[in-house]
Amino acid sequence: GAVVSQHPSRVICKSGTSVKIECRSLDFQATTMFWYRQFPKQSLMLMATSNEGSKATYEQGVEKDKFLINHASLTLSTLTVTSAHPEDSSFYICSALPGTSSSYNEQFFGPGTRLTVL
Amino acid sequence: QKEVEQNSGPLSVPEGAIASLNCTYSDRGSQSFFWYRQYSGKSPELIMFIYSNGDKEDGRFTAQLNKASQYVSLLIRDSQPSDSATYLCAVRNSWGKLQFGAGTQVVVTP
Repeated sequence: GAVVSQHPSRVICKSGTSVKIECRSLDFQATTMFWYRQFPKQSLMLMATSNEGSKATYEQGVEKDKFLINHASLTLSTLTVTSAHPEDSSFYICSALPGTSSSYNEQFFGPGTRLTVL
Repeated sequence: QKEVEQNSGPLSVPEGAIASLNCTYSDRGSQSFFWYRQYSGKSPELIMFIYSNGDKEDGRFTAQLNKASQYVSLLIRDSQPSDSATYLCAVRNSWGKLQFGAGTQVVVTP
């Protein structure tokens, strides 16, 4: 199956700093990538949809100025958490859709990034 | 009303028995349905997907879809301790977004 990588896998930072998370599709081109956040004992919540070459679409309640998303190429999307605070501590997971998006396409998930803000 | 609903569990299943997981969804326009397994601290991994009404079998797993009832289920036959995980039901709704249920924790006891 298709492989999606994320880097870093784990990051600890001080409150007020910014953290960048990279999501790469390793063996396919992804027109669309998704960013999810998962708090302990909760399900994945979609934060934003990222399309190559265009602005990301954010879900309701997600601050676009705080969670900056850049999808500069067909294999790379980045999520930057700006001025991180302890409440941003979570498990961030990206996923990628190969090729042309359709209702039947499988999304491939990255391994996730555990962010801890002190 | 949540878009995708699952019983949170835990669902305790003896080794070798059948685990039955249920999921309901609210968007009648949903077209594709996925079951993911998630181990603690890991990201979800796809087990099965189903698009058409009826049953779909893959090894020890069977997915069942009933669009009229807006219901999808997953059966795990011959449950193994390694099947102990949280199972996430995901539905791609009519807007093309994948919506996840809260997950059902399955515990397979030896």
